[in-house]
Amino acid sequence: EVQLVQSGAEVKKPGESLKISCQGSGYRFSTYWIGWVRQLPGKGLEWMGIIFPDDSNTTYNPSFEGQVTISADKSSATAYLQWSSLKASDTALYYCARRMIWAGEPSDYYAMDVWGQGTTVTVSS
Amino acid sequence: DIQMTQAPSSLSASVGGRVSITCRASQNIGKFLNWYQQKGGKAPKLLIYAATSLPSGVPSRFSGSGSGTDFTLTISRLQREDFATYYCQQSKSNPLTFGQGTRLEI
Repeated sequence: EVQLVQSGAEVKKPGESLKISCQGSGYRFSTYWIGWVRQLPGKGLEWMGIIFPDDSNTTYNPSFEGQVTISADKSSATAYLQWSSLKASDTALYYCARRMIWAGEPSDYYAMDVWGQGTTVTVSS
Repeated sequence: DIQMTQAPSSLSASVGGRVSITCRASQNIGKFLNWYQQKGGKAPKLLIYAATSLPSGVPSRFSGSGSGTDFTLTISRLQREDFATYYCQQSKSNPLTFGQGTRLEI
């Protein structure tokens, strides 16, 4: 079974650092892009960025660039999302998801076909 | 960034009925449009990719149409488990962007 399993809920104080994880199994992890999506409480979905685990090529949503760091370790089939200094506004549910590609004309199509269960991050003093 | 606008924000329907949700892109995205379903704080589920294609395992009562800037998700023969929030997403260019969501209620 193809799945992504995320690390557990976190409660942190403003200014603290945090690294959450997303481990893939059931497929060749290193050859599929992994994206991160934020969902603020009661709100919609926001795409934060994406990484290719095989070479750690990363693209960020400009809205999140400099605020978070996306990384991956292909040897452990794990992707990470980290903060160096959390803010209360980082309180949200964070999902990782695999990007699947389907052949198309004139170019391929892609979508997030497998999702992790989500990691709740609460930042409060 | 490409803006995605869904309508309506919420709608009510009955089991066995049919509903349509629309999604408009702020610029031409061809068929680079995906639909997701999210239930009660759970992870989103991919329903439609490339505007009209169903991934394996998605029931055929879900269908997608459109290209360019205007897209529609239609759900026929509504089942109780279809009551959820639906999001469109463009995959034409980074940053990928989602619509604000449409909540489907009984």
